[in-house]
Amino acid sequence: DVKVTQSSRYLVKRTGEKVFLECVQDMDHENMFWYRQDPGLGLRLIYFSYDVKMKEKGDIPEGYSVSREKKERFSLILESASTNQTSMYLCASSLAPAGGGFYGYTFGSGTRLTVV
Amino acid sequence: AQTVTQSQPEMSVQEAETVTLSCTYDTSESDYYLFWYKQPPSRQMILVIRQEAYKQQNATENRFSVNFQKAAKSFSLKISDSQLGDAAMYFCAYLRAGNQFYFGTGTSLTVIP
Repeated sequence: DVKVTQSSRYLVKRTGEKVFLECVQDMDHENMFWYRQDPGLGLRLIYFSYDVKMKEKGDIPEGYSVSREKKERFSLILESASTNQTSMYLCASSLAPAGGGFYGYTFGSGTRLTVV
Repeated sequence: AQTVTQSQPEMSVQEAETVTLSCTYDTSESDYYLFWYKQPPSRQMILVIRQEAYKQQNATENRFSVNFQKAAKSFSLKISDSQLGDAAMYFCAYLRAGNQFYFGTGTSLTVIP
């Protein structure tokens, strides 16, 4: 069974900490995405990547960065965590073309991050 | 930018009954895809059903079907014979080939035994 695995299900961090959220997929997908999910706001795209060492800003990149050193791994980095980054973070992957065409995304189970 | 609107934040349905979740979208494109995703309490987003815009026939997957009205830019999800396991957050999503997904804000569905 194909999978997108997010390393942590729950995470609590302090304000100002550098936070790494890891995502690994085993489907040899080219495209990977990071979303945050907030009640009443749906899913908002933070960053995405169409290839190794490639990254593109999504709709809400401020306060975040990403790293994709290997095809299967896409990391989201909160350089200095703040309380307004408390959220659910979802990773997804898809086959090229970008967005996965008709096949859509495969999602991870999410990381619920609390910044205190 | 494309927008996807789900006007029903919460819905409820009696077990074994039918419920329809609404979704409208805004686009100037003619070629695109539409999806419904389900997110149960486990948080795993699961693809429920998908529709290609060029197809006039409405997609169906077992108890799940859509009413796709291209001119009206409407894409509603009908769940027949609702089951307790259908309780979840449902997201409507728009995708144009070569582009990113746009998600609605979600509809929380409660199934009443």
